[in-house]
Amino acid sequence: DVKVTQSSRYLVKRTGEKVFLECVQDMDHENMFWYRQDPGLGLRLIYFSYDVKMKEKGDIPEGYSVSREKKERFSLILESASTNQTSMYLCASSLRGRQPQHFGDGTRLSIL
Amino acid sequence: SQELEQSPQSLIVQEGKNLTINCTSSKTLYGLYWYKQKYGEGLIFLMMLQKGGEEKSHEKITAKLDEKKQQSSLHITASQPSHAGIYLCGADRTNDYKLSFGAGTTVTVRA
Repeated sequence: DVKVTQSSRYLVKRTGEKVFLECVQDMDHENMFWYRQDPGLGLRLIYFSYDVKMKEKGDIPEGYSVSREKKERFSLILESASTNQTSMYLCASSLRGRQPQHFGDGTRLSIL
Repeated sequence: SQELEQSPQSLIVQEGKNLTINCTSSKTLYGLYWYKQKYGEGLIFLMMLQKGGEEKSHEKITAKLDEKKQQSSLHITASQPSHAGIYLCGADRTNDYKLSFGAGTTVTVRA
């Protein structure tokens, strides 16, 4: 079975802090994705990566950056956290091309 | 971008009854994915459909993609409490392998 592991289930940070969310997959998947999920807005794509050191902006990249130094690890960075970044963050990975995405358990992030 | 509309938004079903969820696209669907989410958790992949008229089943869940590839349905037979959760459809965007998602359907199963 595919295993996508997110480093924290719950995280509380302060406004202005630099926040790192980590995601690791164990299935040698090419593609990795970061989403945020908000009530009434559904799932929105922040960034994705289709190879090591490659990244592309999703639909809502503002205020975020990503890093993929190794194939199995994809990090989401909030450069200077703001309260409107309080959300549920979901990481996903897929093999390549048009294949199902497999999701981690999510990180519920609160910015105070 | 691809618009996916799910209906109903929520439903309550008596245990043992059947239920159906629909996912309608404004554009032709090249790949359609069904996921289940328990509140506060990640998405669990259920099924993928790609061909017009395709139907797949797993245990008591059946998903279909219509011939025109613009609508999919998810049918649960003899629902159980374990079927409760949020069901989301996702679709491949036309030019790349990003997904667009529907807003989700919340299913409650009453004992």
